[in-house]
Amino acid sequence: DSGVTQTPKHLITATGQRVTLRCSPRSGDLSVYWYQQSLDQGLQFLIQYYNGEERAKGNILERFSAQQFPDLHSELNLSSLELGDSALYFCASSVARGPADIQYFGAGTRLSVL
Amino acid sequence: TQLLEQSPQFLSIQEGENLTVYCNSSSVFSSLQWYRQEPGEGPVLLVTVVTGGEVKKLKRLTFQFGDARKDSSLHITAAQPGDTGLYLCAGGTGNQFYFGTGTSLTVIP
Repeated sequence: DSGVTQTPKHLITATGQRVTLRCSPRSGDLSVYWYQQSLDQGLQFLIQYYNGEERAKGNILERFSAQQFPDLHSELNLSSLELGDSALYFCASSVARGPADIQYFGAGTRLSVL
Repeated sequence: TQLLEQSPQFLSIQEGENLTVYCNSSSVFSSLQWYRQEPGEGPVLLVTVVTGGEVKKLKRLTFQFGDARKDSSLHITAAQPGDTGLYLCAGGTGNQFYFGTGTSLTVIP
């Protein structure tokens, strides 16, 4: 158990809909990272938050947004969903702000867009 | 285009054999990490290498960081079925973090 909690584990929705994925980092970790993993693209970095502030942005679509709350949990919002958004979404957390710091990954949320 | 290319993409070997996985890039990284991911789980960090030419050993796993800090390799000696999984290299440059294309390893008993 990495100590990072992601909910829900599975999500099935329709195209055009909006969903919210939730992540609780390890106790004491200030950074939260979001990743998308698909068969054709591999594991892609989406966005990082550090202590409530956006720290780095990767390949995140404009239809996607995220935030980190004062209690350090984070949410990833995906809107106007398309079939191609079906993927595993991982959250990771680390103590410090650098992306090369040790990241602990949650078990992921499997999103299926039908 | 992936910043970190891994080879081979798939590897199926018999228990007891040795293997090497490569992670190559045209970019320089301040550090490289290797992760292993099992089905239904998130990646788990195996090692971080930070110095060009560095070699780290973790039991039967040997990790090497290239002198120019653009590439890395993972060598497994006497592979066991428990080594089965997806191996991912990853590197940070600036404030961006990139994962490799992955190597799916199957060790057959």
